[in-house]
Amino acid sequence: DVKVTQSSRYLVKRTGEKVFLECVQDMDHENMFWYRQDPGLGLRLIYFSYDVKMKEKGDIPEGYSVSREKKERFSLILESASTNQTSMYLCASDSRTGGRDTQYFGPGTRLTVL
Amino acid sequence: QKEVEQDPGPLSVPEGAIVSLNCTYSNSAFQYFMWYRQYSRKGPELLMYTYSSGNKEDGRFTAQVDKSSKYISLFIRDSQPSDSATYLCAMRDTGGFKTIFGAGTRLFVKA
Repeated sequence: DVKVTQSSRYLVKRTGEKVFLECVQDMDHENMFWYRQDPGLGLRLIYFSYDVKMKEKGDIPEGYSVSREKKERFSLILESASTNQTSMYLCASDSRTGGRDTQYFGPGTRLTVL
Repeated sequence: QKEVEQDPGPLSVPEGAIVSLNCTYSNSAFQYFMWYRQYSRKGPELLMYTYSSGNKEDGRFTAQVDKSSKYISLFIRDSQPSDSATYLCAMRDTGGFKTIFGAGTRLFVKA
């Protein structure tokens, strides 16, 4: 069974703090993704990575950065948290080999920035 | 115009009803179509996966894809209170990395 885990379920931070969200997958997937989910807006792609040390901007990368030093781990960094980054953050992974290339999601991190 | 349109609901039905959830899309290059179910405060989980057009059935769930109309549907038969969740449609083209998600439809099944 595919398992995607995220470091925290709930996080409260203050404006201006640097925030790290970590994601680990155990299925040797080459692709990993970070989304944020807001009511009425659905899932919006922040960044994705198709290989170690490779990253691509998604639709809303501003204010975020990512790091992928190992295949199984993909980190999202909020350099200076702001209140408009309060959201649910979802990590996902997938593989384009083996036929079935759908995304598997972690449980999410609900981040509140005060 | 969004690439994928999905009515956010909420949709409220009595237990045992047949539920129909729908999405429309604009990109004719989409070939892979998925439905995810998301319970409150949880991550989405894959429910159905379809490649190209046609129907796919899995227990009480049926997914339909009509590429000529750019329209996909998810039917839930004999709906149960445990089906109460948000349902997200998703789609992607061949070779693309990005999956495009609908905003999700919130479903309530009343006992």
